Amino acid sequence: AQTVTQSQPEMSVQEAETVTLSCTYDTSESDYYLFWYKQPPSRQMILVIRQEAYKQQNATENRFSVNFQKAAKSFSLKISDSQLGDAAMYFCAYIGSSNTGKLIFGQGTTLQVKP
Amino acid sequence: NAGVMQNPRHLVRRRGQEARLRCSPMKGHSHVYWYRQLPEEGLKFMVYLQKENIIDESGMPKERFSAEFPKEGPSILRIQQVVRGDSAAYFCASSPGRAGNVQETQYFGPGTRLLVL
Repeated sequence: AQTVTQSQPEMSVQEAETVTLSCTYDTSESDYYLFWYKQPPSRQMILVIRQEAYKQQNATENRFSVNFQKAAKSFSLKISDSQLGDAAMYFCAYIGSSNTGKLIFGQGTTLQVKP
Repeated sequence: NAGVMQNPRHLVRRRGQEARLRCSPMKGHSHVYWYRQLPEEGLKFMVYLQKENIIDESGMPKERFSAEFPKEGPSILRIQQVVRGDSAAYFCASSPGRAGNVQETQYFGPGTRLLVL
């Protein structure tokens, strides 16, 4: 079975600095997608970024980028120029070709941004 | 372009009552997914539906829980005879449902917070 692990329950970063959130996953599939979702205090789940496993290039969305290491099964999220609005719980998620639409989530990392 | 809508946002029930949670997918989306989030935990998959069909209900408890997505109207997650352990946030997500693509991005609604007294 596929699993997603986020080993950092909490992280903090100074405003305007850079922080990296870790995520590892376990799968025997070769075709899958990885996601980072943000859950602010409002509890709304917001898509941050998506990576297709077949793409070697790391996905980037403005200040958010990923470091996708397929062989190591690692998918970290880098947030540059951190802003107060980035404070939230961040979830890494996996979906594979055999999952029938089932997203598998990690436990989450709470990010605190200090002014 | 309205996103995924869920209602109610908050629901309080006494033990033994029924809870009905509704989800309207984004316009043009035909696939709906329900997830449950217990306090301080990640989201756990419950059920995946297409119009009038349940595709995967492997994450849904066999008793007291049911889900439907009728031809017309929203998807409904129904919990009968609620217990305190059902207290959680229930999220609905939707995706376009392009043929053969089970890895589409899922867009989430704001969730329904269920509290069982």
